Amino acid sequence: EPEVTQTPSHQVTQMGQEVILRCVPISNHLYFYWYRQILGQKVEFLVSFYNNEISEKSEIFDDQFSVERPDGSNFTLKIRSTKLEDSAMYFCASTLEDRGRSPLHFGNGTRLTVT
Amino acid sequence: AQKITQTQPGMFVQEKEAVTLDCTYDTSDPSYGLFWYKQPSSGEMIFLIYQGSYDQQNATEGRYSLNFQKARKSANLVISASQLGDSAMYFCAMRGRDGGFKTIFGAGTRLFVKA
Repeated sequence: EPEVTQTPSHQVTQMGQEVILRCVPISNHLYFYWYRQILGQKVEFLVSFYNNEISEKSEIFDDQFSVERPDGSNFTLKIRSTKLEDSAMYFCASTLEDRGRSPLHFGNGTRLTVT
Repeated sequence: AQKITQTQPGMFVQEKEAVTLDCTYDTSDPSYGLFWYKQPSSGEMIFLIYQGSYDQQNATEGRYSLNFQKARKSANLVISASQLGDSAMYFCAMRGRDGGFKTIFGAGTRLFVKA
């Protein structure tokens, strides 16, 4: 069964550094998402992406965050200047459609630790 | 705006017994979808079951069933014949036009299955 892949599985960075989290969504999916989960807590929506542009973003997704789909397969999340509170698990997800019974297919996540 | 509420932070169940995990939601949109996801201790998010707001019958997938009570705005997950491997975090989620078609998640319920 096709799956969403995320790299790296764990990223440690120093405060103020830039990080790029990478995702390869399922190939025929059209909608892409980033979610964040601070340890053991709620899964929070960050951003949705369709047709090469952001379709929606949350209040968390401020100017420090950006997303890109540079080559038609990869989908990246960049955090420009990391803060301690950015430490979390970041999940990439994709879906065939943004309505109906098509569920989100999640990657295994990237655990980001900011020191 | 859409909202998902899971009021049980933790639940215990004896192996081989059934358990119900509660989920209530709020939306002004008549068309929406409800999902349940499982997150084992390894961290990945696994889709379990879907219920559409216009579905006449309650959804079932193997040992999982969804007790959908539209008038009460509840979508409880029932796991029959619990197994030790069912110990995990369970998230109720919702998608609809009211929320811009992004999927939003409840706070989750941690299920512990006792041998």
